[in-house]
Amino acid sequence: DIQMTQSPSSLSASVGDRVTITCQASQDISNYLNWYQQKPGKAPNLLIYDASNLDTGVPSRFSGSGSGTDFTFTISSLQPEDIATYYCQQYDNLPYTFGQGTKLEIK
Amino acid sequence: EVQLVQSGAEVKKPGESLKISCKGSGYTFTRYWIGWVRQMPGKGLEWMGIIYPGDSDTRYSPSFQGQVTISADKSISTAYLQWSSLKASDTAVYYCARELTAAHAFDIWGQGTMVTVSS
Repeated sequence: DIQMTQSPSSLSASVGDRVTITCQASQDISNYLNWYQQKPGKAPNLLIYDASNLDTGVPSRFSGSGSGTDFTFTISSLQPEDIATYYCQQYDNLPYTFGQGTKLEIK
Repeated sequence: EVQLVQSGAEVKKPGESLKISCKGSGYTFTRYWIGWVRQMPGKGLEWMGIIYPGDSDTRYSPSFQGQVTISADKSISTAYLQWSSLKASDTAVYYCARELTAAHAFDIWGQGTMVTVSS
């Protein structure tokens, strides 16, 4: 299985801050990477697919970049409603593994 | 509205069997893969497997192969996840989700089914 490693595991930031989460794959996955947001007690929600494409209706403050083994997810200006856990997922090889998650909190 | 609606919470004893369901509506059920994702209490997401309801082609994660069975009944637009003998370690929330064809991303999710296995 391809291992996906996110960092940091948790993050505290202030409203308006720029927030960056990284995701590293254990092997080259091209741009076959998705990002999800999960709020407490809720199902995950797709934010970004193919490393950098925003899903329909996702605010433009969210963005993604990267290819190969190193990927970045960015919130340009943190909003209170962005408090959640964020997961990356690779789909280069089955099984389509997730990262361990990054829990984002408000400072 | 495109949606996936899952069956309700279950409380079972170790060794019992269980089948939970995921009913799709608002789209052509047979044209999209449906996946299952496990989330153990306080933990992250684990990709379990996927099924194509059009022909029941199924792929499993090696971690779950032989531990669960994924199936679908296209006549009623429903996918299933089942266990023949539950263990306490199967306690988790199980999500079904529709997979986008190109990006293999889960774009529509069910609300989750909480399965509790306890003696």
